[in-house]
Amino acid sequence: EVQLLESGGDLVQPGGSLRLSCAASGFTFSSNAMSWVRQAPGKGLEWVSGTSGSGGSTYYADSVKGRFTISRDNSKNTLYLQMNSLRAEDTAVYYCAKDMYNIGPDFEYWGQGTLVTVSS
Amino acid sequence: QSVLTQPPSASGIPGQRVTISCSGSSSNIGSNYVYWYQQLPGTAPKLLIYRNNQRPSGVPDRFSGSKSGTSASLAISGLRSEDEADYYCAVWDDSLSGAVFGGGTQLTVL
Repeated sequence: EVQLLESGGDLVQPGGSLRLSCAASGFTFSSNAMSWVRQAPGKGLEWVSGTSGSGGSTYYADSVKGRFTISRDNSKNTLYLQMNSLRAEDTAVYYCAKDMYNIGPDFEYWGQGTLVTVSS
Repeated sequence: QSVLTQPPSASGIPGQRVTISCSGSSSNIGSNYVYWYQQLPGTAPKLLIYRNNQRPSGVPDRFSGSKSGTSASLAISGLRSEDEADYYCAVWDDSLSGAVFGGGTQLTVL
Protein backbone atom coordinates (compact mmCIF):
# COMPACT_ATOMS: atom_id res chain seq x y z
CA GLU A 1 0.00 0.00 0.00
CA VAL A 2 1.37 3.38 -1.01
CA GLN A 3 1.73 5.79 1.91
CA LEU A 4 2.94 9.37 1.94
CA LEU A 5 3.38 11.06 5.30
CA GLU A 6 4.22 14.75 5.43
CA SER A 7 5.69 16.48 8.45
CA GLY A 8 7.38 19.73 9.39
CA GLY A 9 4.49 22.15 9.06
CA ASP A 10 4.50 24.90 11.68
CA LEU A 11 3.85 28.54 12.49
CA VAL A 12 6.73 30.68 11.23
CA GLN A 13 7.34 34.40 11.02
CA PRO A 14 7.57 36.22 7.68
CA GLY A 15 11.09 35.95 6.32
CA GLY A 16 11.68 32.71 8.19
CA SER A 17 12.52 29.23 6.96
CA LEU A 18 11.00 25.78 7.26
CA ARG A 19 11.77 22.32 5.90
CA LEU A 20 8.99 19.92 5.06
CA SER A 21 9.51 16.18 4.79
CA CYS A 22 7.48 13.46 3.10
CA ALA A 23 8.18 9.86 4.08
CA ALA A 24 7.18 7.44 1.34
CA SER A 25 6.51 3.72 1.46
CA GLY A 26 4.83 1.00 -0.55
CA PHE A 27 6.55 1.66 -3.87
CA THR A 28 10.01 2.00 -5.40
CA PHE A 29 10.65 5.58 -4.37
CA SER A 30 13.75 6.17 -6.50
CA SER A 31 11.86 5.23 -9.67
CA ASN A 32 9.15 7.80 -9.29
CA ALA A 33 8.89 11.55 -9.81
CA MET A 34 7.45 13.40 -6.83
CA SER A 35 5.85 16.78 -6.37
CA TRP A 36 4.65 19.26 -3.77
CA VAL A 37 1.21 20.85 -4.17
CA ARG A 38 -0.25 23.43 -1.80
CA GLN A 39 -3.68 24.77 -0.97
CA ALA A 40 -4.18 28.08 0.79
CA PRO A 41 -7.12 28.22 3.22
CA GLY A 42 -10.37 28.27 1.25
CA LYS A 43 -8.51 28.42 -2.06
CA GLY A 44 -7.67 26.11 -4.94
CA LEU A 45 -4.75 23.82 -5.62
CA GLU A 46 -1.35 25.18 -6.65
CA TRP A 47 1.54 23.04 -7.87
CA VAL A 48 4.72 24.14 -6.11
CA SER A 49 7.59 21.97 -7.31
CA GLY A 50 8.50 18.59 -8.76
CA THR A 51 11.55 16.38 -9.04
CA SER A 52 12.49 13.36 -11.09
CA GLY A 53 13.19 9.98 -9.55
CA SER A 54 16.92 10.59 -9.43
CA GLY A 55 16.53 14.17 -8.26
CA GLY A 56 18.49 15.34 -11.28
CA SER A 57 15.59 17.34 -12.71
CA THR A 58 13.66 19.87 -10.69
CA TYR A 59 10.93 22.35 -11.57
CA TYR A 60 9.34 25.19 -9.63
CA ALA A 61 6.30 27.42 -9.84
CA ASP A 62 7.24 31.04 -10.51
CA SER A 63 5.73 31.99 -7.13
CA VAL A 64 8.40 30.05 -5.21
CA LYS A 65 11.35 30.04 -7.59
CA GLY A 66 14.51 31.19 -5.84
CA ARG A 67 12.99 30.72 -2.37
CA PHE A 68 12.05 27.03 -2.22
CA THR A 69 14.24 24.01 -2.95
CA ILE A 70 12.95 20.50 -3.57
CA SER A 71 15.22 17.56 -2.86
CA ARG A 72 15.05 13.87 -2.10
CA ASP A 73 17.03 11.21 -0.29
CA ASN A 74 16.34 7.97 -2.09
CA SER A 75 18.22 5.98 0.56
CA LYS A 76 15.67 7.21 3.11
CA ASN A 77 12.63 7.21 0.79
CA THR A 78 12.05 10.82 1.76
CA LEU A 79 11.13 13.95 -0.19
CA TYR A 80 11.93 17.42 1.15
CA LEU A 81 10.91 21.00 0.55
CA GLN A 82 13.19 23.68 1.96
CA MET A 83 11.27 26.93 2.20
CA ASN A 84 13.15 30.19 2.76
CA SER A 85 12.09 33.84 2.83
CA LEU A 86 8.57 32.78 3.70
CA ARG A 87 5.69 35.17 3.04
CA ALA A 88 2.15 35.39 4.33
CA GLU A 89 0.93 34.15 0.96
CA ASP A 90 2.84 30.89 1.46
CA THR A 91 0.36 29.96 4.20
CA ALA A 92 -1.24 26.72 3.03
CA VAL A 93 -1.62 23.01 3.49
CA TYR A 94 1.30 21.39 1.67
CA TYR A 95 0.73 17.99 0.09
CA CYS A 96 3.37 15.70 -1.30
CA ALA A 97 2.25 13.64 -4.25
CA LYS A 98 3.56 10.69 -6.21
CA ASP A 99 3.59 11.25 -9.94
CA MET A 100 2.25 8.48 -12.16
CA TYR A 101 4.62 9.04 -15.05
CA ASN A 102 6.59 12.26 -15.33
CA ILE A 103 6.82 15.37 -13.19
CA GLY A 104 3.28 16.70 -12.71
CA PRO A 105 0.39 16.84 -12.86
CA ASP A 106 -0.31 13.10 -12.87
CA PHE A 107 -0.56 12.77 -9.10
CA GLU A 108 -1.90 9.30 -8.40
CA TYR A 109 -1.25 9.32 -4.64
CA TRP A 110 -1.35 12.14 -2.13
CA GLY A 111 -0.34 12.54 1.48
CA GLN A 112 -2.68 13.94 4.10
CA GLY A 113 -0.95 17.33 4.05
CA THR A 114 0.91 19.47 6.57
CA LEU A 115 -0.09 23.02 7.50
CA VAL A 116 2.34 25.90 7.14
CA THR A 117 1.28 29.20 8.65
CA VAL A 118 3.34 32.31 8.00
CA SER A 119 2.40 35.05 10.42
CA SER A 120 3.91 37.40 12.96
CA GLN B 1 -5.74 33.94 -11.77
CA SER B 2 -5.02 30.54 -13.26
CA VAL B 3 -3.99 29.94 -16.86
CA LEU B 4 -6.74 27.31 -16.91
CA THR B 5 -10.30 28.58 -16.71
CA GLN B 6 -13.04 26.60 -15.00
CA PRO B 7 -16.53 27.72 -14.02
CA PRO B 8 -16.54 28.41 -10.26
CA SER B 9 -19.70 26.42 -9.71
CA ALA B 10 -21.93 23.79 -11.25
CA SER B 11 -25.01 21.97 -10.07
CA GLY B 12 -27.36 19.17 -10.95
CA ILE B 13 -30.03 16.88 -9.57
CA PRO B 14 -29.47 13.20 -8.78
CA GLY B 15 -29.38 11.07 -11.90
CA GLN B 16 -28.56 14.01 -14.15
CA ARG B 17 -25.49 14.42 -16.33
CA VAL B 18 -23.28 17.42 -15.69
CA THR B 19 -20.17 18.66 -17.45
CA ILE B 20 -17.35 20.85 -16.18
CA SER B 21 -15.21 22.71 -18.67
CA CYS B 22 -11.54 23.65 -18.56
CA SER B 23 -10.17 26.16 -21.04
CA GLY B 24 -6.49 26.70 -21.69
CA SER B 25 -4.10 27.50 -24.49
CA SER B 26 -1.74 25.95 -27.01
CA SER B 27 1.08 25.79 -24.48
CA ASN B 28 -0.86 23.66 -22.01
CA ILE B 29 -4.05 21.82 -22.99
CA GLY B 30 -3.24 22.19 -26.68
CA SER B 31 -0.04 20.17 -26.35
CA ASN B 32 -0.24 18.06 -23.20
CA TYR B 33 -2.44 15.59 -21.35
CA VAL B 34 -5.22 16.83 -19.09
CA TYR B 35 -5.89 15.47 -15.61
CA TRP B 36 -8.92 15.83 -13.36
CA TYR B 37 -9.11 15.71 -9.57
CA GLN B 38 -11.95 15.42 -7.10
CA GLN B 39 -11.58 16.92 -3.64
CA LEU B 40 -14.15 16.12 -0.99
CA PRO B 41 -14.38 18.57 1.93
CA GLY B 42 -11.47 18.25 4.34
CA THR B 43 -9.64 15.60 2.33
CA ALA B 44 -6.71 15.36 -0.05
CA PRO B 45 -7.47 15.49 -3.78
CA LYS B 46 -8.08 12.25 -5.64
CA LEU B 47 -7.06 11.53 -9.22
CA LEU B 48 -10.22 11.05 -11.28
CA ILE B 49 -9.05 11.16 -14.90
CA TYR B 50 -5.55 10.91 -16.33
CA ARG B 51 -4.19 11.38 -19.85
CA ASN B 52 -7.36 13.15 -21.02
CA ASN B 53 -9.80 10.26 -20.69
CA GLN B 54 -8.34 7.39 -18.67
CA ARG B 55 -9.82 6.33 -15.34
CA PRO B 56 -7.64 4.95 -12.54
CA SER B 57 -8.86 1.66 -11.13
CA GLY B 58 -11.69 2.18 -8.70
CA VAL B 59 -13.08 5.30 -10.37
CA PRO B 60 -16.64 4.62 -11.57
CA ASP B 61 -17.31 4.79 -15.30
CA ARG B 62 -19.85 7.53 -14.55
CA PHE B 63 -16.85 9.84 -14.75
CA SER B 64 -15.40 10.56 -18.19
CA GLY B 65 -12.96 13.05 -19.66
CA SER B 66 -12.47 14.52 -23.10
CA LYS B 67 -10.25 17.03 -24.81
CA SER B 68 -10.56 19.05 -28.00
CA GLY B 69 -8.03 21.63 -29.07
CA THR B 70 -7.31 23.90 -26.11
CA SER B 71 -10.30 22.85 -24.03
CA ALA B 72 -11.20 19.84 -21.95
CA SER B 73 -14.29 18.60 -20.16
CA LEU B 74 -15.20 16.33 -17.29
CA ALA B 75 -18.59 14.66 -17.51
CA ILE B 76 -20.40 13.02 -14.62
CA SER B 77 -23.40 10.93 -15.49
CA GLY B 78 -25.96 9.47 -13.09
CA LEU B 79 -25.16 12.22 -10.59
CA ARG B 80 -25.12 11.10 -6.96
CA SER B 81 -25.07 13.03 -3.70
CA GLU B 82 -21.57 11.77 -2.92
CA ASP B 83 -20.30 13.51 -6.07
CA GLU B 84 -20.70 16.84 -4.30
CA ALA B 85 -17.11 18.09 -4.20
CA ASP B 86 -14.60 20.46 -5.78
CA TYR B 87 -13.21 19.44 -9.16
CA TYR B 88 -9.93 20.62 -10.64
CA CYS B 89 -8.35 20.24 -14.05
CA ALA B 90 -4.56 20.19 -14.35
CA VAL B 91 -2.02 20.13 -17.13
CA TRP B 92 1.68 20.73 -17.79
CA ASP B 93 2.38 24.13 -19.31
CA ASP B 94 5.33 24.20 -21.71
CA SER B 95 5.73 27.98 -21.51
CA LEU B 96 5.87 27.99 -17.72
CA SER B 97 7.79 24.69 -17.48
CA GLY B 98 5.47 23.73 -14.69
CA ALA B 99 2.17 22.14 -13.84
CA VAL B 100 -0.92 24.30 -13.53
CA PHE B 101 -4.34 23.75 -12.00
CA GLY B 102 -7.62 25.30 -12.93
CA GLY B 103 -9.31 27.45 -10.31
CA GLY B 104 -11.67 24.63 -9.38
CA THR B 105 -15.39 24.03 -9.78
CA GLN B 106 -17.63 23.46 -6.78
CA LEU B 107 -20.28 20.91 -7.72
CA THR B 108 -23.54 20.98 -5.82
CA VAL B 109 -26.01 18.11 -6.00
CA LEU B 110 -29.44 19.63 -5.45
